[in-house]
Amino acid sequence: SAVISQKPSRDICQRGTSLTIQCQVDSQVTMMFWYRQQPGQSLTLIATANQGSEATYESGFVIDKFPISRPNLTFSTLTVSNMSPEDSSIYLCSVEAGGIAEAFFGQGTRLTVV
Amino acid sequence: QKEVEQNSGPLSVPEGAIASLNCTYSDRVSQSFFWYRQYSGKSPELIMSIYSNGDKEDGRFTAQLNKASQYVSLLIRDSQPSDSATYLCAVNGGRDDKIIFGKGTRLHILP
Repeated sequence: SAVISQKPSRDICQRGTSLTIQCQVDSQVTMMFWYRQQPGQSLTLIATANQGSEATYESGFVIDKFPISRPNLTFSTLTVSNMSPEDSSIYLCSVEAGGIAEAFFGQGTRLTVV
Repeated sequence: QKEVEQNSGPLSVPEGAIASLNCTYSDRVSQSFFWYRQYSGKSPELIMSIYSNGDKEDGRFTAQLNKASQYVSLLIRDSQPSDSATYLCAVNGGRDDKIIFGKGTRLHILP
């Protein structure tokens, strides 16, 4: 397994502002994943972040809205830009550790946009 | 579009009984199958993974996989109130190797 530290754990933000979420892993991993979980819904993959290359975004998500950094093999950030109330959600960082397909999650960031 | 389907519930089960959670998936080439437990306000926690047809047991949990029917299930024996949570079925190893999550089944264990 992997230990994943994600911060902030929650935040309340004004519309039009941006929030950067950090994800730190206790071991080196090739791919890191960012998910969104809206109230009462399942997890939706936003993008996959590989170290040394641009993130790969899923349909419906764009780099201008959700820029991602991946400066090394243990760290990534997701920024939610120009926020609106529709961005209120839980954002989760995930890794697949140890060469197996199992995903492990950070504690999540509960974002409320007012 | 690849999908993972679950009954949203809630599924109410008396304490001590067997809880049975079901999941179907659409991508026939999927290779890896997972069950996650998510308590309210918490992140998902992996509780079972299964990769081949048949049953896999771990304590009170048994995962069952039938690739021909594209069906995965999770049985929880001797259900406890602490088992009350949302259970997410997830599937990986399809053509693009991404993990796809179902919407989850809310399980409520009745004391």
